[in-house]
Amino acid sequence: SQQGEEDPQALSIQEGENATMNCSYKTSINNLQWYRQNSGRGLVHLILIRSNEREKHSGRLRVTLDTSKKSSSLLITASRAADTASYFCATVASGAGSYQLTFGKGTKLSVIP
Amino acid sequence: DTGVSQDPRHKITKRGQNVTFRCDPISEHNRLYWYRQTLGQGPEFLTYFQNEAQLEKSRLLSDRFSAERPKGSFSTLEIQRTEQGDSAMYLCASSLDRGHGGYTFGSGTRLTVV
Repeated sequence: SQQGEEDPQALSIQEGENATMNCSYKTSINNLQWYRQNSGRGLVHLILIRSNEREKHSGRLRVTLDTSKKSSSLLITASRAADTASYFCATVASGAGSYQLTFGKGTKLSVIP
Repeated sequence: DTGVSQDPRHKITKRGQNVTFRCDPISEHNRLYWYRQTLGQGPEFLTYFQNEAQLEKSRLLSDRFSAERPKGSFSTLEIQRTEQGDSAMYLCASSLDRGHGGYTFGSGTRLTVV
C-alpha cells in the first residue's frame, strides 16, 4: 500500500525556476528518501533525511522534514530540462526489522527549456 | 560493478504462462528487494532478502509468486500462471544496511501479459 501522497501530482515550470514538491506520510519513520525516475526507467536515489534531521542539502536539492506534521518537501533550485522526471518520496518505518521502502504516488515534473 | 542489473528488460507473455526474472545486485550489498510498479503509481514492496534468507513478504505476493536468492548473490522472481493484472514494471533494488545510504535500483523488467 502507498504510504502517503506527493503534492502536486504534476508540475510544469520554466528552465531556471525553482521546483517544490511536497510529501505527506502516515506512520512514524526512521528516515525519508527522495528518488527520481525518468520515464520507463529505474529509480535513482537523490537524498536521505533521518527522522532527527530537519533539513538537508545536496547540490541543487534541499529537503526539509517536519515529523510533527509527517511531511517533507523537496526543492530543486535553478531547474534544468534534464530535471524532467517523476519524483517520489519513500519512507522507512521506525522500529526494528523494518527495511522496506514505502513510496508515494510521485510528482511528475516537466521543465520547459 | 556497474550497479543493479535486471534481465530481461521487457517480457511479453501469454496469460497462463510462467515467467522468471533475474536480478544481479551490487556485489557487496547483502540486502535485496523486489518491488512492483504499475502505471502512474509508486513502487510497491513485494519481498526482501538479507543474504539468502527471505525475511519479509508482502501480502501482494500471492502463491503464484516465488522469489529466491541462492547463495546470497543474484535473485530470481518467478510468476506462475500469469494473469493480465500481473502486467507491471518489476524493480529490484539492493542496499548495504538499513537503507541509510539509500537503495540502488535496477532499470526494471517490464512485463506485459496478453
